[in-house]
Amino acid sequence: QSVLTQPPSVSAAPGQKVTISCSGGSSNIGNYYVSWYQQFPGAAPKLLIYENDKRPSGIPDRFSGSKSGSSATLGITGLQTGDEADYYCGTWDGGLSARVFGTGTKVTVL
Amino acid sequence: QVQLQQSGPGLVKPSQTLLLSCALSGDRVSNSSVSWNWIRQSPSRGLEWLGRTNYRSKWNSHYAASVESRIIINGDTSKNEFSLQLNSVTLEDTAVYYCVRDSNWRLDLWGRGTLVTVSS
Repeated sequence: QSVLTQPPSVSAAPGQKVTISCSGGSSNIGNYYVSWYQQFPGAAPKLLIYENDKRPSGIPDRFSGSKSGSSATLGITGLQTGDEADYYCGTWDGGLSARVFGTGTKVTVL
Repeated sequence: QVQLQQSGPGLVKPSQTLLLSCALSGDRVSNSSVSWNWIRQSPSRGLEWLGRTNYRSKWNSHYAASVESRIIINGDTSKNEFSLQLNSVTLEDTAVYYCVRDSNWRLDLWGRGTLVTVSS
């Protein structure tokens, strides 16, 4: 049902870097800001990145976002065990006139 | 500190109406610079935006096409809360429901979520 496509899972060792892709189209990512959300089991999603590459207060600079065309990417450097969570991208879709989300990516720290 | 406190039943019978409320503290629902959203999450459908409401002299609501025929999202300035009404529920409406603040196109404040199970 999700409009935006993400890889189901990514993994890396502590201290390493992971990137999560979010693929969409011209009606969504191509024309609107992308946000990223972090979700731990049993908890609500939490805003991690907004307006493609901005971090809310309190989010460490290990987390970064970028956008190019109809795709966006979340990067996590200096991976920590506490980063193990599900990550979702989200944006507005002008064709659907609705907020849309990615399929979600589970980050595992090896 | 701004908080959203959700309330409502966790079990609804098929064909009946789901009613959830979201009480706001630390902000006003009449704040014209934000909108108030309902989003649900289930294993089969992932994160699904249901709709939003905001106050610009009056309440204005906008809904996802998938639920548009059976959803109402309302705000109540006297109670400083907003609500979700979803009619004619089916088993597919079983999900965790979140109330969420949208501030300048970012979903920056989430309620804790309410698991709603549709079952007879």
